[in-house]
Amino acid sequence: DTGVSQDPRHKITKRGQNVTFRCDPISEHNRLYWYRQTLGQGPEFLTYFQNEAQLEKSRLLSDRFSAERPKGSFSTLEIQRTEQGDSAMYLCASSIGGNSYNEQFFGPGTRLTVL
Amino acid sequence: GQSLEQPSEVTAVEGAIVQINCTYQTSGFYGLSWYQQHDGGAPTFLSYNALDGLEETGRFSSFLSRSDSYGYLLLQELQMKDSASYFCAVSRTDKLIFGTGTRLQVFP
Repeated sequence: DTGVSQDPRHKITKRGQNVTFRCDPISEHNRLYWYRQTLGQGPEFLTYFQNEAQLEKSRLLSDRFSAERPKGSFSTLEIQRTEQGDSAMYLCASSIGGNSYNEQFFGPGTRLTVL
Repeated sequence: GQSLEQPSEVTAVEGAIVQINCTYQTSGFYGLSWYQQHDGGAPTFLSYNALDGLEETGRFSSFLSRSDSYGYLLLQELQMKDSASYFCAVSRTDKLIFGTGTRLQVFP
């Protein structure tokens, strides 16, 4: 296993379309996180899973965003009715989890451009 | 609310030492992390402070003072490849809250 992978790496879509991104975490990691990053800013937390359970979702996340991790392995992030403000890099990260701090390993991201 | 402030840009020459500061207005966090991100790349973990004091990892050291709401990343023996953006982040529950980021440019 070489790390966290994300697909696609780039997505261009028209406003109003739906898009779905996939993240494959490091295999033994039970925690999976989604972040969004715009140019010149730090990553912004969106949501995270422990195994298949979605434990927290940012209040900034509108109802147009939904994430799943059905079998506790890969995860998908769907954005419905995309808006130009959704244009950003969407980063996925994973960690082992547990009671102590564990570093998060980030994937290469999916860059979304909404026209 | 919670915010982490960093200088937007720092410049230095190869071989020098640079300190990147992080001041925060948040409470109840587990610790302070530092991540490096090259242009077009993914953030990668550098260092973590759970307790006050200095943590050293090779050329990089990180410091935390909860009483001063302050931390810093110290990079020694700078190399050209250290040119990147650096983010401090607090761990709150299990998520990371990132700072504004500091772009480091290393010149020959």
